[in-house]
Amino acid sequence: GAVVSQHPSWVICKSGTSVKIECRSLDFQATTMFWYRQFPKQSLMLMATSNEGSKATYEQGVEKDKFLINHASLTLSTLTVTSAHPEDSSFYICSASLPGRDEQFFGPGTRLTVL
Amino acid sequence: GENVEQHPSTLSVQEGDSAVIKCTYSDSASNYFPWYKQELGKGPQLIIDIRSNVGEKKDQRIAVTLNKTAKHFSLHITETQPEDSAVYFCAANLDYKLSFGAGTTVTVRA
Repeated sequence: GAVVSQHPSWVICKSGTSVKIECRSLDFQATTMFWYRQFPKQSLMLMATSNEGSKATYEQGVEKDKFLINHASLTLSTLTVTSAHPEDSSFYICSASLPGRDEQFFGPGTRLTVL
Repeated sequence: GENVEQHPSTLSVQEGDSAVIKCTYSDSASNYFPWYKQELGKGPQLIIDIRSNVGEKKDQRIAVTLNKTAKHFSLHITETQPEDSAVYFCAANLDYKLSFGAGTTVTVRA
């Protein structure tokens, strides 16, 4: 149980375009989902926390207008990177947690490359 | 916020030997400490965790210890195998948010 999937697993896009990444909890309902970014050989950095039906909470330094997060259902959250630039190239990982629980279940990640 | 430090950054061990990774955290209110294993190009995989009301936890070849007073926790891997080679991250949970250490690249030499 507690499986989280992401789609796509990798994406290449041109500079200036937008890219949407999906995060799904497959066998449980996740009231809270988290989005992380990981640059090569670095740790995971929390970008934002999203709760179903409400606006996401962004970490300091993360541009909310650039990284749009939608958590429309208890099993799906999406991250849209708007007007992507080469510096946005990274490994984006989502996680999900059960209500009132602190364990996070991570997805397999999405590799974004912006040309 | 929480600040987690992790050492060493790289660790090379002979197959069959033990590996130890240490982490410290800054906020005494943190109450949950998971350890993750990440293989290249994949998401983190939870390997063991410990809560603040427990001092030690073991699962087969993996164990974690927690010293709340000193605010540090450690991962111990015994009888290491080549498949243990990966990047390991410690994390501390505060207010349902995880703060991660910088990671330790473990290489098990055959």
